[in-house]
Amino acid sequence: GAGVSQTPSNKVTEKGKYVELRCDPISGHTALYWYRQSLGQGPEFLIYFQGTGAADDSGLPNDRFFAVRPEGSVSTLKIQRTERGDSAVYLCASSPDPGYGYTFGSGTRLTVV
Amino acid sequence: KQEVTQIPAALSVPEGENLVLNCSFTDSAIYNLQWFRQDPGKGLTSLLLIQSSQREQTSGRLNASLDKSSGRSTLYIAASQPGDSATYLCAVLGDMRFGAGTRLTVKP
Repeated sequence: GAGVSQTPSNKVTEKGKYVELRCDPISGHTALYWYRQSLGQGPEFLIYFQGTGAADDSGLPNDRFFAVRPEGSVSTLKIQRTERGDSAVYLCASSPDPGYGYTFGSGTRLTVV
Repeated sequence: KQEVTQIPAALSVPEGENLVLNCSFTDSAIYNLQWFRQDPGKGLTSLLLIQSSQREQTSGRLNASLDKSSGRSTLYIAASQPGDSATYLCAVLGDMRFGAGTRLTVKP
C-alpha cells in the first residue's frame, strides 16, 4: 500500500478482555516495528520484525503481549487480559531495511475501562 | 542500552525566530538518526533522516546535524511559523529508541 495502515483507529475494551491490533506495512518493507506511546511521552519500543521473525522483542512489557507477522507483511499485536495501564496509542512503523527511515501509521488508540 | 534525551522539553517562541532543538544519545555507534514531527492526536511524520556517515541534512527551512563523536543531533528551524507548532521527536534507528520530544509553540 501507499502508507502504513493500522486498524482499528480506536478500540475501547473492558479490563480482562483480549484485543488484537493490526498493522499493514508499506509493500516490500521487510522491517516492521511496534511502539506504544502514552500521553506526553515519546514512543516506547515494543518489538521489531525482520521478515517473519521477531528480531528483537525486548520491549514487550510482559507475557500478556505477543505479536506475529506470519507472512512477512501484515502484523498483529495481541494483548491478553488487558489492564487499565495498557491504555495508550499503539504505533506501527515499517522501513525498507533495518536502521533505514521509518514510516509510521496513524496508530490505534486503546482504552481499557 | 541506548538512552536518547531531548532538551528542552518545551519551547515557546514568537513567530519569525530561528530556533534549535537538541537530541543527545549515549551510544555513538548508531546507524542513522531520524527527526519526526507529531501534531496533537496524530501519528509521526518524518522530517529528516541523517545517515550515520553524514553530518547534516536540509529540507526547506529545516536543517538537521549529526555529531556522532559528541552524541548529539540538532534540528534547526529557520523563520519559525505558527504552523510549526508541534512536538518534535528524534529517533536513533538501529537501536529503535526515541527521545521524549520537544513541544514547540510558535506564537503569532
